Amino acid sequence: GAGVSQSPSNKVTEKGKDVELRCDPISGHTALYWYRQRLGQGLEFLIYFQGNSAPDKSGLPSDRFSAERTGESVSTLTIQRTQQEDSAVYLCASQRDPSYNEQFFGPGTRLTVL
Amino acid sequence: RKEVEQDPGPFNVPEGATVAFNCTYSNSASQSFFWYRQDCRKEPKLLMSVYSSGNEDGRFTAQLNRASQYISLLIRDSKLSDSATYLCVVNTGSARQLTFGSGTQLTVLP
Repeated sequence: GAGVSQSPSNKVTEKGKDVELRCDPISGHTALYWYRQRLGQGLEFLIYFQGNSAPDKSGLPSDRFSAERTGESVSTLTIQRTQQEDSAVYLCASQRDPSYNEQFFGPGTRLTVL
Repeated sequence: RKEVEQDPGPFNVPEGATVAFNCTYSNSASQSFFWYRQDCRKEPKLLMSVYSSGNEDGRFTAQLNRASQYISLLIRDSKLSDSATYLCVVNTGSARQLTFGSGTQLTVLP
């Protein structure tokens, strides 16, 4: 079946602009995660959605970052007033539910802030 | 101290070599453990789970030492296609479930 999809695959923007990244999880997966991965670095947790519970936003680096998820479907990650240090690959992952440990990742959005 | 720590490498080994990676975790209440693989410029994918009794999948063997809070991954008869970054992943039992290590880079040389 279809995996996790993300769009756009690449985004180049100018410093100070806002960007919106989209994630379509696997159908039926209740949990959704956003991670950031800078070049040559590990995964940095940003935010976690589980069903209709309040999201775990503990990884968001600043108030310029926000994310939304409608029910158990699409999620968008918004970065306002982008900075050069925001340049990274933003990965989305979905998980069937908390009792299943495997996370399935999308291909990521490569964000470059000039 | 990081929740999950790995030696970043890089590990450069010849084809056919045996290579082992270790990973330590700080939360003694951690419940489950995994190795993910990430190819260059690709997304991470689950390689194998790590069971208390140790488990093997072909050339790959994973082991868990709860007393010392570390897990290991052994790759035997390494192939060029094994070149990747190997991520140690721990379910810490927190709401956000999985915590990823920063990865160990492996390059298998011809």
